[in-house]
Formats: sequence, structure tokens, C-alpha cells
Amino acid sequence: DGGITQSPKYLFRKEGQNVTLSCEQNLNHDAMYWYRQDPGQGLRLIYYSQIVNDFQKGDIAEGYSVSREKKESFPLTVTSAQKNPTAFYLCASSTGLYYNEQFFGPGTRLTVL
Amino acid sequence: AQKITQTQPGMFVQEKEAVTLDCTYDTSDPSYGLFWYKQPSSGEMIFLIYQGSYDQQNATEGRYSLNFQKARKSANLVISASQLGDSAMYFCTGNSGYSTLTFGKGTMLLVSP
Repeated sequence: DGGITQSPKYLFRKEGQNVTLSCEQNLNHDAMYWYRQDPGQGLRLIYYSQIVNDFQKGDIAEGYSVSREKKESFPLTVTSAQKNPTAFYLCASSTGLYYNEQFFGPGTRLTVL
Repeated sequence: AQKITQTQPGMFVQEKEAVTLDCTYDTSDPSYGLFWYKQPSSGEMIFLIYQGSYDQQNATEGRYSLNFQKARKSANLVISASQLGDSAMYFCTGNSGYSTLTFGKGTMLLVSP
């Protein structure tokens, strides 16, 4: 079955440590996205990528980094520079950047202690 | 960029009744798309329905329909014959050829027996 996988589902880290969240899709989608969701809030865009080896900052990119070396993979690193990293992180993909439905993964809940 | 507004933090409906979730948008782009997603307590985002700005008819998908009023810039989601499994957060979102998805803050729907 085609879809998006994110791992792990729950992640705990100590303050000051970098952590990388995994996102893999087998939908053959060109575009991929990372969102952050805080309790009771909507989704905010962190980074997005239209094609391999290219990515753009979203609305809240500070303290985060990404790479897109393969079409299927779009890992997100939460760096120690992110001041409030505890949140729910969702990865998504779509056939194109605009006017297209986005397919979402199950999410990773990151808690920084 | 689009601005999406959902003014109902929470809605309550009895099983088998219809419910309307409000969404207004603001964009200067003549071409845009509007989407509704459902987010159950598990966290995953589930695509429900899409409306393009040039679509002549209101979108429908099973029990979901979109009341699209272009002049009022509203794209309300109507759920007919509510079921207990419809209890979830609902997000209105939109994009255009010049912007990525912008999410509203969501409406929590509770369906009672």
C-alpha cells in the first residue's frame, strides 16, 4: 500500500540535543512538507520541497533543518537552536506544490525534557 | 498568502443530524483551492473534500459537501447524518498558485448518541 511513514511515533530528547525525524513516502510525489502543530492549534509550515535537492523555508523555519537527497525521503532535524521544540510534527506529500491534496503521515510527537 | 478563518472553536451535534462548520478565506489570487481535513485523536490528517475557485458546482464527497460562496469568500463544510466517528478536529485550508497551504485554527466537533 502506498503512503507516508514517520518514525518514531513518540520521541523524547534532552534539552540541547539535536534530533532527526524521519519521513518516507512511496507515492511517487514530487512535493514534500513538514508541519508543526501545537496543542489546540492549526498546522504551521516549517519547510517544503518541490523536487530533489531543493527546499524552501516555511513560516517557522528557525531552529530546523532539512535535506532532500532522495525523492522518497525528507528528514527534519530539530536543532538545539529551536527554543520550544516540544510539539507534534506532521510530514506530508503531494503530486505538485499547488492546488493538490496533501497526504499526511501519522506524525511524530516530540517531547524535549 | 491566503488567510483562513474558522470562528467556531467547538461544535456539538447529535447523531444523525447535519452540521455546518464555518470557514472564510481571504486571498487576492483569482485562482485558488480550498480543502477540508479531519484530524481524529490519533493525530493523522485525513483529506475530506476539495473546491477549486473556478469550479461551477459545490463539491460533494459522500456525506460531506462544501457550501462554496465565492462572493462571501466562505467555504463551509456540511456533514450530513452525523456519526459518532465524525467526532474530531476539522481544519479548513487553502492555497493558490503563489502560496502553499495555510491552515485555519480548526473546529472541534463532538457527536453525541
